[in-house]
Amino acid sequence: NAGVMQNPRHLVRRRGQEARLRCSPMKGHSHVYWYRQLPEEGLKFMVYLQKENIIDESGMPKERFSAEFPKEGPSILRIQQVVRGDSAAYFCASSPRRGPGTEAFFGQGTRLTVV
Amino acid sequence: GQQLNQSPQSMFIQEGEDVSMNCTSSSIFNTWLWYKQDPGEGPVLLIALYKAGELTSNGRLTAQFGITRKDSFLNISASIPSDVGIYFCAGITQGGSEKLVFGKGTKLTVNP
Repeated sequence: NAGVMQNPRHLVRRRGQEARLRCSPMKGHSHVYWYRQLPEEGLKFMVYLQKENIIDESGMPKERFSAEFPKEGPSILRIQQVVRGDSAAYFCASSPRRGPGTEAFFGQGTRLTVV
Repeated sequence: GQQLNQSPQSMFIQEGEDVSMNCTSSSIFNTWLWYKQDPGEGPVLLIALYKAGELTSNGRLTAQFGITRKDSFLNISASIPSDVGIYFCAGITQGGSEKLVFGKGTKLTVNP
């Protein structure tokens, strides 16, 4: 998973604050996926973006969550008015293309703790 | 939604033993992937399978894509302490956004 950079690695927020998670994909990768992992669980898909476009946000809660992948700069996952249930590890993955057999390479994740 | 049933949930083995874990689904997948996750890290891809019936090796790891496209297994031979971690299977369906559907993981402990 070298090359996909996520920051911060750890983020603590009080209930009601905003959390902004950043993901810089591997060089040359224009496809970004965000996943959420609760303790003792597998990763759950949230959103799939290409540069400047949201392709699939079927796994993202309708309220408080948003994602973007601008033409320049990292992809951002934004959680407004965080609640304790948002505490989880959030992983970003990038791939060079879309198509059968695409392999996604993951970052090290951001561990969000809501207190 | 699509779900992957991964088993066993956890395994405790002695160094040198072989390990086998598997994933099953009621849905068809066109790609199966196996990942390993160490504590505090992201998943790292171990093996990717693209064709039904395909058997692929990566060092001491061997994985197979089931003929029905609804299952896959991962074998680890001659386990060593650094094999400790959580192993996840993941599937991709065709024609969608290529998102991964993950199993809940198999936690492997290797006793020296």
